[in-house]
Amino acid sequence: EVQLVQSGAEVKKPGESLKISCKASGYSFPINWIGWVRQMPGKGLEWMGSIYPGDSDTTYSPSFQGQVTISADKSTATAYLQWKSLKPSDSAIYYCARPEYRGGPPHYWGQGALVTVSS
Amino acid sequence: QSALTQPRSVSGSPGQSVTISCTGTSDDVGGFNSVSWYQQHPGRAPKVVIYDVIKRPSGVPDRFSGSKSGNTASLTISGLQAEDEADYYCSSFAGDYTPLFGGGTKVTVL
Repeated sequence: EVQLVQSGAEVKKPGESLKISCKASGYSFPINWIGWVRQMPGKGLEWMGSIYPGDSDTTYSPSFQGQVTISADKSTATAYLQWKSLKPSDSAIYYCARPEYRGGPPHYWGQGALVTVSS
Repeated sequence: QSALTQPRSVSGSPGQSVTISCTGTSDDVGGFNSVSWYQQHPGRAPKVVIYDVIKRPSGVPDRFSGSKSGNTASLTISGLQAEDEADYYCSSFAGDYTPLFGGGTKVTVL
């Protein structure tokens, strides 16, 4: 059974850094794309980008390019989403999600991680 | 790439059928048989109810069905039940690395 288990909720101040995680199990992590989806309060789903853990090939949606960093650790089957300097507008729920193939609609979802950025 | 277009809300009485549309272009919805539908209850992660336009994951009731005509995909919920009240999103492969999402539709059971 495919499972994506995310790290917990975070409360941060503007300007702080953050790295959230998504531990995968139940499938071959290196050979499947895995991505991140943002859901701002009361809003819809936005695809942020994805990574192929086997060779760390990473792509970002234009809105998120340069704003976040997606990475993965094959040895622990864990994907990460990282910010260097958080803004209040980064407050949202972040889901890791795995499509069945590159660019495909997500098929498996993590439980979500609420990130709150407030002074 | 623009988001896919969904109606903001649909409603129906218990036992009725409702249909949600998801309109894209020939570069996404119309060009591939790769549309998924998600159900999201408040405070919960999205759950796949339809994938590959018409396929239903195990455990999803058969009152959920999907279809596609041209650049528009549709999700039909037949025999509407109270627990079907939720937000529904569509998503489509768009030929590259980035899947597209619809803006979401709130289904209300009257």
